[in-house]
Amino acid sequence: KNEVEQSPQNLTAQEGEFITINCSYSVGISALHWLQQHPGGGIVSLFMLSSGKKKHGRLIATINIQEKHSSLHITASHPRDSAVYICAVANTGNQFYFGTGTSLTVIP
Amino acid sequence: DAGVIQSPRHEVTEMGQEVTLRCKPISGHDYLFWYRQTMMRGLELLIYFNNNVPIDDSGMPEDRFSAKMPNASFSTLKIQPSEPRDSAVYFCASSPFFADLSTFGSGTRLTVV
Repeated sequence: KNEVEQSPQNLTAQEGEFITINCSYSVGISALHWLQQHPGGGIVSLFMLSSGKKKHGRLIATINIQEKHSSLHITASHPRDSAVYICAVANTGNQFYFGTGTSLTVIP
Repeated sequence: DAGVIQSPRHEVTEMGQEVTLRCKPISGHDYLFWYRQTMMRGLELLIYFNNNVPIDDSGMPEDRFSAKMPNASFSTLKIQPSEPRDSAVYFCASSPFFADLSTFGSGTRLTVV
């Protein structure tokens, strides 16, 4: 069993749609990260969360510690949002666990 | 700041050869991480350093892998001898604190033939 589960694995959306990517984890965490990896391969850290909600532009990340669940939302999606989104958690023992990623394609 | 700098960007080597990957973290970041990414296993943390000291190397797959951080501005990941199954993209990242947002390098794509 993976410590971090993401859903869906693949997602195709029309430009302008509201997108939600989910992440569930089974370990006690000190922080949860959302990463973005574009087809060119570079990885960008989008958010680090330990509680509540964060917003950056059209991206919103939420976390529910009690339910061990986080969501990444993209409002007014755009083709440039096409990427793989990876959820990662740092547990209280300073170990990292990674989800397998959600591959998002936004069609014009 | 130029960000996290990795070299080389691409490396093709023959099985059995020694491979050295290099990383320059962001100045002032106390944590440095080495990751490996493959299609089969996704992103995996290999080892991380705090203030140049290796803290957790439990992700290093075999004794063929070693990592050093001789000073705050430089780290190496060495594979000796290399094998075809080591082919992957290796990322280096740094952050001010362990669980803080990391800045990733562009990665080194390693192909062992």
